[in-house]
Amino acid sequence: AQSVTQLGSHVSVSEGALVLLRCNYSSSVPPYLFWYVQYPNQGLQLLLKYTSAATLVKGINGFEAEFKKSETSFHLTKPSAHMSDAAEYFCAVITSGGSYIPTFGRGTSLIVHP
Amino acid sequence: GAVVSQHPSWVICKSGTSVKIECRSLDFQATTMFWYRQFPKQSLMLMATSNEGSKATYEQGVEKDKFLINHASLTLSTLTVTSAHPEDSSFYICSATLSRANTGELFFGEGSRLTVL
Repeated sequence: AQSVTQLGSHVSVSEGALVLLRCNYSSSVPPYLFWYVQYPNQGLQLLLKYTSAATLVKGINGFEAEFKKSETSFHLTKPSAHMSDAAEYFCAVITSGGSYIPTFGRGTSLIVHP
Repeated sequence: GAVVSQHPSWVICKSGTSVKIECRSLDFQATTMFWYRQFPKQSLMLMATSNEGSKATYEQGVEKDKFLINHASLTLSTLTVTSAHPEDSSFYICSATLSRANTGELFFGEGSRLTVL
């Protein structure tokens, strides 16, 4: 079975500050991990993905995430927040060799203050 | 990247009527499409998985007679909310994947906001 836990339903940062959104996963086999972003009244857009290659993954809009097997984590970071980063962020896991149906975390709302 | 288009973006209907939402993959053939429902400030709830040419697989608790899914071609899946009621009001999102051989990345439609009066 696979599952995803996103710690913190809301994260609030100041513009220019470091962004850290946490994601921990549970999977009995090597996972594929994803971060998606959702702006109000829109679908989801892929930020980045880990598929068993490099553990540090760089995505769009300056975001990156590091896969840490020992910690079963895939936290999303960005060095300097912009106002335009305010959105809902979802972590998702797919178990390789399984059904390829992703399991999504509950989401983290990123709030950026001027 | 692959593009998925969903239509309509917004729909308002009277209670008791049926509403059809279309999901199209514009530049690729989607072997599998997923339909999600999203309540305000919540995560995506998978409703069903549809594969081209076969019946959709519904998640537990989702009424298949209420939410009719058709995946007639590799580029089109439709969700019909039959006899809609106010409790069906929600944000519905479709997504598509290329094939099981890839890494499972999903391409999402823009979503459809359904309001049932």
